[in-house]
Amino acid sequence: GNSVTQMEGPVTLSEEAFLTINCTYTATGYPSLFWYVQYPGEGLQLLLKATKADDKGSNKGFEATYRKETTSFHLEKGSVQVSDSAVYFCALGPLGGSEKLVFGKGTKLTVNP
Amino acid sequence: GAVVSQHPSRVICKSGTSVKIECRSLDFQATTMFWYRQFPKQSLMLMATSNEGSKATYEQGVEKDKFLINHASLTLSTLTVTSAHPEDSSFYICSANGATTNEKLFFGSGTQLSVL
Repeated sequence: GNSVTQMEGPVTLSEEAFLTINCTYTATGYPSLFWYVQYPGEGLQLLLKATKADDKGSNKGFEATYRKETTSFHLEKGSVQVSDSAVYFCALGPLGGSEKLVFGKGTKLTVNP
Repeated sequence: GAVVSQHPSRVICKSGTSVKIECRSLDFQATTMFWYRQFPKQSLMLMATSNEGSKATYEQGVEKDKFLINHASLTLSTLTVTSAHPEDSSFYICSANGATTNEKLFFGSGTQLSVL
């Protein structure tokens, strides 16, 4: 079945540091890949997505590239801010992402000033 | 964006009691709602999918008589954990989509259930 393996946290960085959160997946067919973010006290929000191989999703300075050859979708940001402190979830699912999703365990990121 | 309100955010109950968790779509009609749970250091796992006016579809291994899901209106779905036991302690989160959500899922903020 489909599964997502996500880098274990927590991750603690200083402001302006480079961020990478690793995500790999196993899936049948051609799923879409997603990164969701959950800020304290809020629901998960879609951060970015990619729907096919070599697509790059980007939003708010975050990027992730759908790599079919390595079955990966690593999340990166060049310079993190304190406001990026949150829990990040990698997920895979159908094309639009509006149906069943398979999630990773989540990675808690804390950015210190 | 669309808003999904989930309550309560945290609940502590005694073993054997029932707990109801509500999930409301505030500014759209939620034709489909999904209920997930997350045990510590585990992934969010889908428990069930509910369509308004229909019986919920449960994932394999989820007891439908223990986790009662009601989706009687287009803006409200409830999950009732019946006769809760300590092993039901978990983080429960709902998500919803609808005709106007542009193929996106919107999530509630989750409920941390602790059963003593």
